[in-house]
Amino acid sequence: GAVVSQHPSWVICKSGTSVKIECRSLDFQATTMFWYRQFPKQSLMLMATSNEGSKATYEQGVEKDKFLINHASLTLSTLTVTSAHPEDSSFYICSASSDPSTDTQYFGPGTRLTVL
Amino acid sequence: AQTVTQSQPEMSVQEAETVTLSCTYDTSESDYYLFWYKQPPSRQMILVIRQEAYKQQNATENRFSVNFQKAAKSFSLKISDSQLGDAAMYFCAILGAGNMLTFGGGTRLMVKP
Repeated sequence: GAVVSQHPSWVICKSGTSVKIECRSLDFQATTMFWYRQFPKQSLMLMATSNEGSKATYEQGVEKDKFLINHASLTLSTLTVTSAHPEDSSFYICSASSDPSTDTQYFGPGTRLTVL
Repeated sequence: AQTVTQSQPEMSVQEAETVTLSCTYDTSESDYYLFWYKQPPSRQMILVIRQEAYKQQNATENRFSVNFQKAAKSFSLKISDSQLGDAAMYFCAILGAGNMLTFGGGTRLMVKP
């Protein structure tokens, strides 16, 4: 299967700082990347969908000014959690797809964010 | 809107035995795709198997197979010859409306040696 990487795998930061998470498709071009959030013992919740070169589409209830998404190339998308607070602590997972209507989404290994 | 329901929060199976994980879904789409993903303790989501709704034949991948009942909107996963490495959370998902992947709540599978 296709490989998707995420960096960093774990980040701890102080409240009020901004954190950037990178998602890369290593062996295919991802026209669409997705960002999910997963709370302990729960399923994945879609936060936003990003298409290369255009603005991300956010799900209802997700603050676009809080979670900035950039998809500048066909292999890289970034999620920036701005002015992070303890309630933003969570596991963030990205996925990538070459054709979102038919293709399998391949997932990154996730990033654990802990905000002190 | 599309929904996915996994009615079994936890399942256990003896090593080398067979286990079936249940999944039902609802969608208004006529063309969609169904997936089973595995999430081990590392939390990496791993694709187990994929089924195109327009295909009547059930998908199989080695020890993993599905029972796809389109009319009943059911998509169960059968794991044969269970191995200790199969222990994980298993998520059923549907790709349909709006190109969105909707997940079920997950089933935790425990494998007893």
